[in-house]
Amino acid sequence: GQQLNQSPQSMFIQEGEDVSMNCTSSSIFNTWLWYKQDPGEGPVLLIALYKAGELTSNGRLTAQFGITRKDSFLNISASIPSDVGIYFCAGLRPENSGGSNYKLTFGKGTLLTVNP
Amino acid sequence: DAGVIQSPRHEVTEMGQEVTLRCKPISGHDYLFWYRQTMMRGLELLIYFNNNVPIDDSGMPEDRFSAKMPNASFSTLKIQPSEPRDSAVYFCASSLTGGISNQPQHFGDGTRLSIL
Repeated sequence: GQQLNQSPQSMFIQEGEDVSMNCTSSSIFNTWLWYKQDPGEGPVLLIALYKAGELTSNGRLTAQFGITRKDSFLNISASIPSDVGIYFCAGLRPENSGGSNYKLTFGKGTLLTVNP
Repeated sequence: DAGVIQSPRHEVTEMGQEVTLRCKPISGHDYLFWYRQTMMRGLELLIYFNNNVPIDDSGMPEDRFSAKMPNASFSTLKIQPSEPRDSAVYFCASSLTGGISNQPQHFGDGTRLSIL
């Protein structure tokens, strides 16, 4: 099946530092999504990317859809303690030729710890 | 707006018992997904529905697992009989029509299932 390689697996940083994480795949995706999961909760969508090369920001978060459509990265600038959590990338692609059904494949996640 | 609502939040039961997890998707969403999350395997898609019809159940582990969506506002995931290896967090997610726009999925807060 499709695999998403997300790295790093974990990061321990100081408050105020910038963070970068990425996902790569051998498959092409139509959409890249980045989610954050807090303990005891479900993943929450942070950023959605729909076009190759697209660069999108959401506050201190910036994500890019790789030009080859096989990768994406997420940057967090000036980290704060509430950035702690698990960050997941996810790739979306159609399952059928009509494009009406699709499957989301998740990376294994990056555990971010921010030291105040 | 109400998000995806799952119940129960926690379930502890003995092996061999039947377990039923419930989900109410976001109103107006056409797609509903069931995921399982474990430390070892991350987020795995079990099954998804489009307009109440199961589209892909290839992720369902075995015949002990079944899912239904009797109407647009309700779905169940049932495990019978349950086994300790079924212990995990089960998430339900929903999204608007996929296709070209590849709408992101929105997750519930999950059901933490422990089978003793």
